[in-house]
Parts: sequence; C-alpha cells; structure tokens
Amino acid sequence: GAVVSQHPSRVICKSGTSVKIECRSLDFQATTMFWYRQFPKQSLMLMATSNEGSKATYEQGVEKDKFLINHASLTLSTLTVTSAHPEDSSFYICSAREGRGASEAFFGQGTRLTVV
Amino acid sequence: DAKTTQPPSMDCAEGRAANLPCNHSTISGNEYVYWYRQIHSQGPQYIIHGLKNNETNEMASLIITEDRKSSTLILPHATLRDTAVYYCIVRANDYKLSFGAGTTVTVRA
Repeated sequence: GAVVSQHPSRVICKSGTSVKIECRSLDFQATTMFWYRQFPKQSLMLMATSNEGSKATYEQGVEKDKFLINHASLTLSTLTVTSAHPEDSSFYICSAREGRGASEAFFGQGTRLTVV
Repeated sequence: DAKTTQPPSMDCAEGRAANLPCNHSTISGNEYVYWYRQIHSQGPQYIIHGLKNNETNEMASLIITEDRKSSTLILPHATLRDTAVYYCIVRANDYKLSFGAGTTVTVRA
C-alpha cells in the first residue's frame, strides 16, 4: 500500500507553546488528508478534513483556532496545536487519500504529543 | 453514517483462521465496508474493503452477506503479529472514516 509518513513520532512540549506535526504522502498525491486524535484506550476521533489548496473542514467540537491545519501541497499537510495544554496530550494520526476515485485511505504512524 | 457493531474482543489460536463478524444493518446501497487494524501505538493499517461481492487479498478475505447487513473478515492463518484492534467501518460518500470501538483480537500461541 501507499506510504504516509508523520513527523515527529514523539514530541514533548511545555504548556503554552505550539507544536507542528507534519504528514506527508511519499508515493502518491493526496488530494484529501484527515486528522485524527486518539486518547488512551479510546478509538480514533476525526478532527478535520483538509483538501489541498482549501480551508480545512473541522468536526463539531474541534476548535479550528487551536488546531491549525494547512494542506499547501498535494503531498504535505500540517497540524499545529497552538497554545498546547496538558489536556491536548494525545496520539495524533493523519491519513491521506489519493484522488481520482481511489478508495483506500492510508494512515501515518502517528505522533505522540505530551504537554508538560 | 451507517453504524457498525463488533464484538469487543476475541481470542484466536495461532495458525487457525480468525473470523471477525461485523453488523451494519443500516448500510446504504452505495456505502462500502472497510476493515482496518491498529497494532498498539501505531497508525491504523488498511486491510480490505468491499461493496457487494466477496473480496480477497494477500492479508484477508471479506465476506459480505447478500443483504449487506453484515460481513465477516477472515484472517486465514492467524499469527502472533495479527494481535491488534480490528475496525469495521462503513465509509460515507465523503470518504470520512468513523472509527468505533473495534474488536480486540488476541492471537495465542
């Protein structure tokens, strides 16, 4: 299957700082990327959908000013957690889907964010 | 989105086939059934998907009932590395994947 790479895989930051997570599709052009969050012992929760060159669409209850998503190219989307707080500590996962009728979405390996 | 129902957990013996059931009684005619799995602390891995017909690939087989209200994922020869949480998802037309609780599969030697 196609490869989606996330960076970093782990990050620890201080409360009040911002953290950027990158999601790259390595061998295909991703017209759509999705961002998920997963708390311990819970399932993945969709945060937002981003299409290349347009504004992200956020799920209900997700603060768009806190979780900034940029999908500037067909191979890169970034999620910036602004003014992070300990409750933002979670496992953040992106997925990417190639356009042109492709059905499968492929996932990155995830980023473990710890806010101290 | 159509909801899915899966058993919370199941055990399987190494080398035997693992049959994972999923109910999706409210599925619409143009909605696909997807299966992903997530090994601890990793991103989900795509397994297989289908619409009406049974599907098979190098990882698994997907059997969809004729009325499409349920399906079964079959891992033909389970190994210890197949221990994971398996998610059955009905994919909406907007390509969003909504994850439920899944089935925690434990393969035992």
